[in-house]
Order: sequence, then structure tokens, then C-alpha cells
Amino acid sequence: DQQVKQNSPSLSVQEGRISILNCDYTNSMFDYFLWYKKYPAEGPTFLISISSIKDKNEDGRFTVFLNKSAKHLSLHIVPSQPGDSAVYFCAASRNTGTASKLTFGTGTRLQVTL
Amino acid sequence: GAVVSQHPSRVICKSGTSVKIECRSLDFQATTMFWYRQFPKQSLMLMATSNEGSKATYEQGVEKDKFLINHASLTLSTLTVTSAHPEDSSFYICSAYPASRGEGDTQYFGPGTRLTVL
Repeated sequence: DQQVKQNSPSLSVQEGRISILNCDYTNSMFDYFLWYKKYPAEGPTFLISISSIKDKNEDGRFTVFLNKSAKHLSLHIVPSQPGDSAVYFCAASRNTGTASKLTFGTGTRLQVTL
Repeated sequence: GAVVSQHPSRVICKSGTSVKIECRSLDFQATTMFWYRQFPKQSLMLMATSNEGSKATYEQGVEKDKFLINHASLTLSTLTVTSAHPEDSSFYICSAYPASRGEGDTQYFGPGTRLTVL
């Protein structure tokens, strides 16, 4: 049962354009969402997060949007740079007041072309 | 920033042997660490939650007697794959949760360990 889904396994975007990565979830108990970037043979690197009480969070070139009613979140990267090429995972958790377990999506491979 | 290290980064072993993987939080204390496994082109799957000074909590389907976890200090958790078999070959990643940071549920991941069982 895949509770967090990234339906696009890959995405190719031209340098300077906007990259939009999508993520859907099924568990309405999730209340905290994160995006991670991962290179091959390396651990994920935290990018940006959003609490369920917000619908947008922005950090530099990265913006995460959350639509709770649709159980959908997206990561916008603008402008996209070649160094952004990596696999992006969205993750979700239930804030239980202690360290919460993360449920990861299947990842989207982003390729930023020149 | 928060740094998590793993050792070794890569290990090749014979079937039937045991392999120990270390996960260290280098600049913060972590009462909770997590162990994940990632098969090629798949998502990270949580295996267990490691709590300092207590027994680990395993996810459904993960054999606790096969994947031994010890969290003896606030900066070190170890995962031992006992009697490893080729199907245990995978990329093992740990993460640490610096609860004192107050930044929400942000876990910091180690670089991973590639295990190959021949």
C-alpha cells in the first residue's frame, strides 16, 4: 500500500525554466510533508518542508505547495539549474510529538538540460 | 549543519556472514535514529526506529533477529545484518533526528552503505 505516490518517475526541464514535481498521498493523518533530493549512492538531502496548517512555503528557488483537500503537494524549482538534476523524494509524517517516521514516495528523477 | 556519517560506505561479504553498519551523528545528539533500505529504483523503506537506551521498533515484515539494531549512545546506532544472503544486498541508509533543534520533523540522513552479498 503506497501511501505516498509520485506518479512521474522522470522529468526533463530546460535550464532556466520551472520544474514542477508532484506528490499525492492517501493517509489523511499525515500532517507534515518534506522534500528530499538524492544523488546516486548518497543519502537524501533535506530541501524544504511544509506543515499541514500552511498551503505554501518558500525557500529561495524552492517552493512547496500543499492542497490538503486534494491530498496533493508539489515542489516548484525556479529557475532550474543543471545542478538540480537528481532524484527528488517527497515524504510525509504524522507529528506524534516525538521523532516521527517518514513515509517516502517512489521518487522523480529530474534532468535539467542546457 | 547537521552531519550524519555511515561506515562503511561499501561492503562486500560472503553469504552467511554478518555485517555491521555504523551510523553516527557528528555534531548533534540523536535520541532517535532510523534505518532505511533502498532497492534499485525504489523508494526508501523504513526498517526500524532506533531509540537510545531501549529496544528498536521494527516495521512490519522486518526480521528483528536478522537485522540487529543497537543504539548505545546519543551519537551512535549500529545495524548488524546477521547471516547475510544475496537478497539482503541493498543500499542501507540511516537518519538521525535532532530533537533539540526544534525544526519540526526534519531528519538528517547519512550517505548510505552499499551492501553486496555474494
